[in-house]
Amino acid sequence: KNQVEQSPQSLIILEGKNCTLQCNYTVSPFSNLRWYKQDTGRGPVSLTIMTFSENTKSNGRYTATLDADTKQSSLHITASQLSDSASYICVVSAYNGGFKTIFGAGTRLFVKA
Amino acid sequence: EAQVTQNPRYLITVTGKKLTVTCSQNMNHEYMSWYRQDPGLGLRQIYYSMNVEVTDKGDVPEGYKVSRKEKRNFPLILESPSPNQTSLYFCASASYKGPNGKNIQYFGAGTRLSVL
Repeated sequence: KNQVEQSPQSLIILEGKNCTLQCNYTVSPFSNLRWYKQDTGRGPVSLTIMTFSENTKSNGRYTATLDADTKQSSLHITASQLSDSASYICVVSAYNGGFKTIFGAGTRLFVKA
Repeated sequence: EAQVTQNPRYLITVTGKKLTVTCSQNMNHEYMSWYRQDPGLGLRQIYYSMNVEVTDKGDVPEGYKVSRKEKRNFPLILESPSPNQTSLYFCASASYKGPNGKNIQYFGAGTRLSVL
C-alpha cells in the first residue's frame, strides 16, 4: 500500500534554532518527492522537489535530502524564524500510467520567541 | 498573476442538495487535481485529470464527480452531499513534465464545506 509517514507529528522550537523533519515512504513506482509548507487555512506551497537521481535540494534556509534506497527524506530548517510556524507536508508521486499523489499527514512546527 | 482560483471559499449546505465547487487555473497546466483535507490526516486525492476529457480516480472518489471540458476548469460535483463530506477541499494544477519530471503543483486557497 502506498503510504507516506512523517515524524514528529508536532514540534516546538525556539526562534533561531535548527530542526529536522522526517519522511518515510512506501510509494512505488516512485516519481518524485516534494516538501510543502502549509500555513493555517491556506493551500500548500512548494518548498523543494526531488526526483530519483537527486539526493539534496535547498531553498534558502530549507534543505531537503532524499535517500531513494531507504525511501527516506528529511527537511532541515536552519535558523528558524517565527514565520516558519506552519505544517510541513511530505508528498510523494507515483507514476503508473497516471499520476497518484500521496500526502503525509504533516509535521506541525511551532517556533517560539 | 499565475493562480488557481476556487469558489466558493466557504459553503454550508444540507444533506442531499447538489453542489459544485469550481476550480480555474490561468497557467495553461495540463494536470489538475482535487484533494480533501481532514484533521489528523494528510490531503487525500479525490480525482485528477491529466488533460482535457481525461480524468481518473484518486484514493477517495466515492460521492464525487468531476469533469474536464476545458483545460482551465476542473469543477468538483457533489450530487448528493452527506455529512461525512464535510471537509476542507483544495484544487491544484501542474504543468505535466512526464513521469520523471518535476511536476510542482500549485494549490488554490481552499473551500471549507460543511454538510448539515
